[in-house]
Amino acid sequence: AQRVTQPEKLLSVFKGAPVELKCNYSYSGSPELFWYVQYSRQRLQLLLRHISRESIKGFTADLNKGETSFHLKKPFAQEEDSAMYYCALRQAGGTSYGKLTFGQGTILTVHP
Amino acid sequence: NAGVTQTPKFQVLKTGQSMTLQCAQDMNHNSMYWYRQDPGMGLRLIYYSASEGTTDKGEVPNGYNVSRLNKREFSLRLESAAPSQTSVYFCASSAGLRDTQYFGPGTRLTVL
Repeated sequence: AQRVTQPEKLLSVFKGAPVELKCNYSYSGSPELFWYVQYSRQRLQLLLRHISRESIKGFTADLNKGETSFHLKKPFAQEEDSAMYYCALRQAGGTSYGKLTFGQGTILTVHP
Repeated sequence: NAGVTQTPKFQVLKTGQSMTLQCAQDMNHNSMYWYRQDPGMGLRLIYYSASEGTTDKGEVPNGYNVSRLNKREFSLRLESAAPSQTSVYFCASSAGLRDTQYFGPGTRLTVL
């Protein structure tokens, strides 16, 4: 069965510092990986997906199949980045086709 | 265009009581989902409906039932609530199983 692990429950950085939210996964096939974000009093929303290879709000994430990781990075954190971040995996086929498996979440706090 | 709406926003139940959480979407999406969010556990899929007329179990279906009433609406029922079902419940929808999921605002349920 697939599993997503976010080892850091809480992460605090200062404004302007680099930030990296870690995500590791276990899955035998070819996964699709996503980062979702939930800002205070807002809905959970998709931040980015690995297949898009895009930068959203200054965040990037690269899928490393060798290390089975999909870490989220931003070179200069902003206070408005403070939120809960979830890494998620979607199975490409099999009985769990299409279903998302979420990690435990990381609460990022960016201090002024 | 409200997206995904959920009712109620908050609910307190006593052990053994029953209730139905309502979810509706106005995006003409085919697929709908119910998740629960617990501290340290992330989001876990309870049930999903790939398309109108179909429902399938997710990761944690025990104690729940669902109804895909029509294309717009997907309800989650707790027949006999237990304290272990205290959680925040999120409904989501997507065009198809492989498409971006859009989340509702959540229902915070407490079972005493």
